[in-house]
Parts: sequence; structure tokens; C-alpha cells
Amino acid sequence: GAVVSQHPSWVICKSGTSVKIECRSLDFQATTMFWYRQFPKQSLMLMATSNEGSKATYEQGVEKDKFLINHASLTLSTLTVTSAHPEDSSFYICSANGQANKPQHFGDGTRLSIL
Amino acid sequence: KDQVFQPSTVASSEGAVVEIFCNHSVSNAYNFFWYLHFPGCAPRLLVKGSKPSQQGRYNMTYERFSSSLLILQVREADAAVYYCACGGNQGGKLIFGQGTELSVKP
Repeated sequence: GAVVSQHPSWVICKSGTSVKIECRSLDFQATTMFWYRQFPKQSLMLMATSNEGSKATYEQGVEKDKFLINHASLTLSTLTVTSAHPEDSSFYICSANGQANKPQHFGDGTRLSIL
Repeated sequence: KDQVFQPSTVASSEGAVVEIFCNHSVSNAYNFFWYLHFPGCAPRLLVKGSKPSQQGRYNMTYERFSSSLLILQVREADAAVYYCACGGNQGGKLIFGQGTELSVKP
């Protein structure tokens, strides 16, 4: 079946650094990828929609200058958390689908801890 | 406001049929997607669609603004978080409910 790979799975870094998370579709071309954030005991919250070759669409309340998204190819989207602070510590998870209205396939997520 | 609603917890006993209910207020969403999520792993799609459907032990009921996930012969290993999501012709965008934590007593 379709596989989405997310890397790294876990990262700890100091406050003020930038962290890049990669999301790859391994066996299909993903025209659209989605980035979610999940705080403890809460639901998956959509942060942004990443479209190959165009600018990402951010959900209300998500700072686009803080969460930089690049979707330069049909198999790779990256999320960069810039100048990360402890409040950015969360579980970030991506998903991808090849066609609109088709099921999304999720990566295993990245647990980000900012000290 | 586009929202998806589902109970935060459901408790059951092994061997029973569990029902998790979901309803939404999302405009232009006519598909439901039910995902199983173990913390730290990728959510796994169980069943989906815009009509009643079944995949193994998982049944999905369907109404225009509501759906139920039924898990047949529930086991202790089914204890996890179950997400209901809705989507339509919105470029694949899904709106998720808060998740339902299922507990199963032996």
C-alpha cells in the first residue's frame, strides 16, 4: 500500500534553533500534502496544505513565517519550524494523497521537543 | 464554523460491538473517514465513504451529517484513539474530530 515517510521521528533542540521536518511519499506522487500538529490529549489540528509547485495554504492562526513549508517535488514536502521555542514542542505529522478527495496516508509523525 | 464532533471516550467490554458516533457541521463535506491512531504511529484508515460500508470488523453507517463506526467483537488490542474526519471537494482537505479514546475491559 501507499507509504508516507516522515523524518526525523524525534528531535530535541535548544530554543532559538530552526528545525526541518521532511515528509516523503514513497510509492506515489503526492500533489497535495498536509501538515498537522497534535498537542497532548488534543486532536490532530491541520496547520497547512502544501501544494506542489505553489505556495502553501495556512489555516487561521498559523504563522506562515514561523512554519515554512516547501513542496518542491511531487514526493517531498518540508516543514521548517523557525526560531523554535518551548511552546512549539508538539507532535507534528504529515499526510499525503495523490488525488483530491482520496484517502490521506499519514507519516509516523515527528515529536519535537524544544528546551 | 466547520467542526466535527465525537465523544472523547467510549468504554466497552471484550467481545461486544462498540459504536462511536460522529457528526459535523462542515459545509460541502459528504465523505466520512474513520482512522485508528496509536500514539507515536501513523493514523491508519479503517473505513471511508459517502455510504454505509464495511471493512473486516469495521462497519460505517452514513447519514449526510453523521456517521457511526461500529467495531465488531472488540478486543483489548482495539484500545486506541479513533478519529472521525470529514472531507469533500476541498482539494483533499479533511477536518478531524477531537478523537475518541476507546477503552476495552477484559
